[in-house]
Amino acid sequence: QKEVEQNSGPLSVPEGAIASLNCTYSDRGSQSFFWYRQYSGKSPELIMFIYSNGDKEDGRFTAQLNKASQYVSLLIRDSQPSDSATYLCAVANSGGSNYKLTFGKGTLLTVNP
Amino acid sequence: DAGVTQSPTHLIKTRGQQVTLRCSPKSGHDTVSWYQQALGQGPQFIFQYYEEEERQRGNFPDRFSGHQFPNYSSELNVNALLLGDSALYLCASSLFGLSGAFTDTQYFGPGTRLTVL
Repeated sequence: QKEVEQNSGPLSVPEGAIASLNCTYSDRGSQSFFWYRQYSGKSPELIMFIYSNGDKEDGRFTAQLNKASQYVSLLIRDSQPSDSATYLCAVANSGGSNYKLTFGKGTLLTVNP
Repeated sequence: DAGVTQSPTHLIKTRGQQVTLRCSPKSGHDTVSWYQQALGQGPQFIFQYYEEEERQRGNFPDRFSGHQFPNYSSELNVNALLLGDSALYLCASSLFGLSGAFTDTQYFGPGTRLTVL
């Protein structure tokens, strides 16, 4: 059973639209959730993190967390061609004082001008 | 504020050889984690170092080993390279919080692209 699942895409949206990226996870003990953006051939870049149920907004980005449903999402408002990238969902599985990030395979987003 | 640095950028090796990859964490960080990212996949956790000790390990064979130095920099060593070891190797740094728990946020370096022929 995969621990973190994302739609692989590609997800294609027009410029100016809202892009919605989704992620589900299997470990109910997960406490921290992250969204990374990865351009082709580059390393992941942290966009947002969220710990509590509900919404967290940062500029054009909104992360949403529902622990009961084991679901986390990322909304990108006013999408720009520069947002075209793979978006990785990561979950921190805390065990004692140690943790690791478990990633999904990522969703490829294409924003069309 | 210096970010995470990794060297080399690219590396080409042949099967059976050994490789060492290097990482310097972000200024102020003391914990280093290593990940392997195969093409089209998300990063997979290899291991994590704090206080010069391996604190946690993912599902990777003993051919993968590491080290952390007193200045918090780290090395990843892979012995007896296989074709399947070809991947982007990512180093991520973070900070062990004053509360005694790891802060979760990890920042990635640019990665080392390893090709095994």
